[in-house]
Amino acid sequence: ETGVTQTPRHLVMGMTNKKSLKCEQHLGHNAMYWYKQSAKKPLELMFVYSLEERVENNSVPSRFSPECPNSSHLFLHLHTLQPEDSALYLCASSPANGQFYGYTFGSGTRLTVV
Amino acid sequence: KQEVTQIPAALSVPEGENLVLNCSFTDSAIYNLQWFRQDPGKGLTSLLLIQSSQREQTSGRLNASLDKSSGRSTLYIAASQPGDSATYLCAVRDSWGKLQFGAGTQVVVTP
Repeated sequence: ETGVTQTPRHLVMGMTNKKSLKCEQHLGHNAMYWYKQSAKKPLELMFVYSLEERVENNSVPSRFSPECPNSSHLFLHLHTLQPEDSALYLCASSPANGQFYGYTFGSGTRLTVV
Repeated sequence: KQEVTQIPAALSVPEGENLVLNCSFTDSAIYNLQWFRQDPGKGLTSLLLIQSSQREQTSGRLNASLDKSSGRSTLYIAASQPGDSATYLCAVRDSWGKLQFGAGTQVVVTP
């Protein structure tokens, strides 16, 4: 375990389903991130939360909805997804305003949209 | 916009050989550079973090160098083992605080 826990590890959902991905960290970090990793492409930053406020939304479709109820938890709510949304979704955390610190990543959720 | 490039995209070596992985970035205004390892279908494991003021970092068989002025970093893995087979990702934390990734180098170490 890296200190960042993601659940579930695998998820298969239909295009009309609603599901949520969960991320939890107990490293004392106060910035959390969602990344998408598709085959043969670099990691894409989706959302950034710093001190529980969303500070970045990288033109992500509205069918992805993030939620950060506190500095230890981050969710990604999914609804009416498309097959091209199938990917590995990675959560990461770091100290906010800690540009000299590294990121810690979770193990990811492998999402398949059918 | 910061762009991060990793060469080669794939590398296969026999066990015992040293590995040399390259990373280049276009904007030298970075806070730090981080090397990660990713096993198939898994998350990212941090290997080394080099601050912009540092020239290198070492951990066991791993050594990473940073030449910020030329926009380059190199990860050396000494005496490679089959367990080193994975994808290695380079990421720079740019002046906006964002982590920008390269596409990775896929490494296979054959017994």
